[in-house]
Amino acid sequence: AQSVAQPEDQVNVAEGNPLTVKCTYSVSGNPYLFWYVQYPNRGLQFLLKYITGDNLVKGSYGFEAEFNKSQTSFHLKKPSALVSDSALYFCAVRDQAGTALIFGKGTTLSVSS
Amino acid sequence: GAVVSQHPSRVICKSGTSVKIECRSLDFQATTMFWYRQFPKQSLMLMATSNEGSKATYEQGVEKDKFLINHASLTLSTLTVTSAHPEDSSFYICSARESGGAIEAFFGQGTRLTVV
Repeated sequence: AQSVAQPEDQVNVAEGNPLTVKCTYSVSGNPYLFWYVQYPNRGLQFLLKYITGDNLVKGSYGFEAEFNKSQTSFHLKKPSALVSDSALYFCAVRDQAGTALIFGKGTTLSVSS
Repeated sequence: GAVVSQHPSRVICKSGTSVKIECRSLDFQATTMFWYRQFPKQSLMLMATSNEGSKATYEQGVEKDKFLINHASLTLSTLTVTSAHPEDSSFYICSARESGGAIEAFFGQGTRLTVV
């Protein structure tokens, strides 16, 4: 069965510092991996995805993520955090034969000024 | 990216009544749409997969007679919460994937349902 783990409920960083939001996954075969961001009472906004190719994926708003097959991880990163990055972040996975995305529990990112 | 519109964004209804939520893909055709439910500060739980022209596939524990899903066209899926109860109050989010084997799914803005 597919699963996603986001080990941190909350990540706190100061504005201007780098941030990392962790994600590990379990899936049979090659995964499709995604990061989404959610603001209060809003739907999900797509940030980036890994399908194949380069392990480092660049996405919206300066975010990037690195696919690590040996560690089954897909951590979200940003070199310099902004206060406006404060939100709820979801990692999601599906296998190539699957249909729906399976989501992690989410990580709340709080960026302080 | 592609746009998925979900309506209404907020709805308050009385216990025992039914509520219909619409999910539309505005600029693409979606053979498959998904319905998720999100409890406060929790993840999205897949409720069902909606396939155009056929019956929806429900996840274990989701009552199909309670949560009626209709996907009558390639751009519209509806979720009807029947005989709503306060415990049905939640945030419901749909997503749609473009027909033809697209990998990425796009999400609606969500519907906040409050049953009083």
